Amino acid sequence: DTAVSQTPKYLVTQMGNDKSIKCEQNLGHDTMYWYKQDSKKFLKIMFSYNNKELIINETVPNRFSPKSPDKAHLNLHINSLELGDSAVYFCASSRRMLGQETQYFGPGTRLLVL
Amino acid sequence: GEDVEQSLFLSVREGDSSVINCTYTDSSSTYLYWYKQEPGAGLQLLTYIFSNMDMKQDQRLTVLLNKKDKHLSLRIADTQTGDSAIYFCAEGSNFGNEKLTFGTGTRLTIIP
Repeated sequence: DTAVSQTPKYLVTQMGNDKSIKCEQNLGHDTMYWYKQDSKKFLKIMFSYNNKELIINETVPNRFSPKSPDKAHLNLHINSLELGDSAVYFCASSRRMLGQETQYFGPGTRLLVL
Repeated sequence: GEDVEQSLFLSVREGDSSVINCTYTDSSSTYLYWYKQEPGAGLQLLTYIFSNMDMKQDQRLTVLLNKKDKHLSLRIADTQTGDSAIYFCAEGSNFGNEKLTFGTGTRLTIIP
């Protein structure tokens, strides 16, 4: 039973292309996130959505556009891919319970831009 | 802004205890987390501690929090080869939707 799933797991593409990464959670959580992990393993939040509404946008280039069709899905579309976009992208979800909100992560999508 | 720092590498002999340290700057942090990332895998939540606690123990894992010094540590007792991974500490603030700020990660290597 996959809790947070992402597709594709690997994505190799040329510079300038447009690509999408999909994320789905079956945990009934209200909030979903996208994180980027660079080659040095540094992990940084990009976006957060709560009930389909954008909550956090951490100075990400507007080539990145998240889309949340419903509470269980948060997709990431990237236009005009650049070499520096190569990274592992993690989706996560959470729900606040008793004042605490633990984030559960997907397996990651490894993006390589050539 | 928030900043979370960790040592990048730690090597420990199998059977010994591992202690991974983390310092953070945000005094409004409410919860502090430890995540484990095995090679080629996603992040797995190991444990978390509320900021008004000093210690939390969960089987082989012990988390110590010194809120005054903003220092967090994770002790793994009887370290095994399966513990080889990158360990991330993260801090979160309880202001509505939680944004986690992650440390740089500590790569734990087990020496046979």
